[in-house]
Amino acid sequence: GAVVSQHPSRVICKSGTSVKIECRSLDFQATTMFWYRQFPKQSLMLMATSNEGSKATYEQGVEKDKFLINHASLTLSTLTVTSAHPEDSSFYICSAPTVGWEETQYFGPGTRLLVL
Amino acid sequence: DAKTTQPTSMDCAEGRAANLPCNHSTISGNEYVYWYRQIHSQGPQYIIHGLKNNETNEMASLIITEDRKSSTLILPHATLRDTAVYYCIVRKAENAGGTSYGKLTFGQGTILTVHP
Repeated sequence: GAVVSQHPSRVICKSGTSVKIECRSLDFQATTMFWYRQFPKQSLMLMATSNEGSKATYEQGVEKDKFLINHASLTLSTLTVTSAHPEDSSFYICSAPTVGWEETQYFGPGTRLLVL
Repeated sequence: DAKTTQPTSMDCAEGRAANLPCNHSTISGNEYVYWYRQIHSQGPQYIIHGLKNNETNEMASLIITEDRKSSTLILPHATLRDTAVYYCIVRKAENAGGTSYGKLTFGQGTILTVHP
C-alpha cells in the first residue's frame, strides 16, 4: 500500500510555544490530506482537510487560527499548533487518499504531542 | 455515509480465525465497506475494502452479505500482533474525477484481543 510519513513522531513542548507537524505522502501525490486528533481511549476525530493550493477547511469547533495548516506541495502538508496548551496534548494523525478508482486513505504513524 | 455498528470487544485465541462483524443496514448502492485497524499508539492501517463481492488479500478476507447490510472481516490465523482496534467504515469510493471524497468517519470500533 501507499506510504504516509509524519515528523516528528513525538514532541514535548512548553505551554505557549508553537509546534509544527509534517505529513508526507512518500510514493504518491495527494492534493488533499486530512488531519485527525485522537485523545486517550477515544476514536479519531477529523480536525481539518488540507487542500493543495487553497485554504484548509476545518471541522466545526476546530479553531483555524490555532491549528494552522499549509499544504505546500502535492506531497507535504503541515499542521502547526500555535500557542500550545496542555489541553492540546493529543495524538495527531494525518492521512492522504490515493485518488482514482476506489479511493483508499492511508494514514501516517501519528505524532504524540505533550504540552507541559 | 452510512453508519456502522460493531461489537465493543472480542477475544480470539492465537492461531484461530478471528471473525469481526459489522452491521451497516443503511448502506446505499454506491458505498463500499472499508476496514482499518489501529494498533496501540500507531496510525490506522488499511486492511481491505469491498462493494458486494467477497474480497481477500494477504491480510484478511471480507465477506459481505447478499443484501449488503452486514459484513464480516476474517483474519484466518490470528497472531498476538493482530491485537488492535478494528474499524468498519462505509463510504463512497468510486472516484475517477481526481478529487477526494473526503473524510472517514471513525466509530468506536471493535477491540480485538488475541491471547496465547
